[in-house]
Amino acid sequence: AQSVTQLGSHVSVSEGALVLLRCNYSSSVPPYLFWYVQYPNQGLQLLLKYTSAATLVKGINGFEAEFKKSETSFHLTKPSAHMSDAAEYFCAVSGYSGGSNYKLTFGKGTLLTVNP
Amino acid sequence: NAGVTQTPKFQVLKTGQSMTLQCAQDMNHNSMYWYRQDPGMGLRLIYYSASEGTTDKGEVPNGYNVSRLNKREFSLRLESAAPSQTSVYFCASSERTVDNEQFFGPGTRLTVL
Repeated sequence: AQSVTQLGSHVSVSEGALVLLRCNYSSSVPPYLFWYVQYPNQGLQLLLKYTSAATLVKGINGFEAEFKKSETSFHLTKPSAHMSDAAEYFCAVSGYSGGSNYKLTFGKGTLLTVNP
Repeated sequence: NAGVTQTPKFQVLKTGQSMTLQCAQDMNHNSMYWYRQDPGMGLRLIYYSASEGTTDKGEVPNGYNVSRLNKREFSLRLESAAPSQTSVYFCASSERTVDNEQFFGPGTRLTVL
């Protein structure tokens, strides 16, 4: 069974500072990994995904994440935070659940606050 | 192309009442999912339907039932609502492929008094 741990339920940065949101995963097979973003009172929106094509994945809004197998990590970064980045971020891993079925397992989320 | 739609957006129930949350997708996806989101708990899978005609339990199925009405629609029913079911409910859909990118609806905010 797969699992995801997001380190830090709340991260606060200043506008223009580096954003680093941490995600570690556990999976018995090569994983497919995702980062989703949720703005207040909205559904989840895909930021980026890792599907083994490249270890450094670029997503929308200037975010990127690096897959590190040796560290079982998939941390999300953005060089310069913008006020509009304030949201909750979820890391997720896709795992096999029997037959031809796959399910996503989500981390508990990290709330990003951006201070002016 | 509306993506994933959910109705209603908000609902208040009394303990013991029943209701059905509706979900529809127009992306011709095979798989559909129901999640609940609670503060500090992330998203937890209630039920999913890998393909039309099949449904399976997720992590927290107790107190819920689902129906995959057709390829487009997947409903979630609370037969006898309890305060513990106060939550935000999200429906999602995906192609039935291993990378499993899911597309989410806007959510239903349910309060059970």
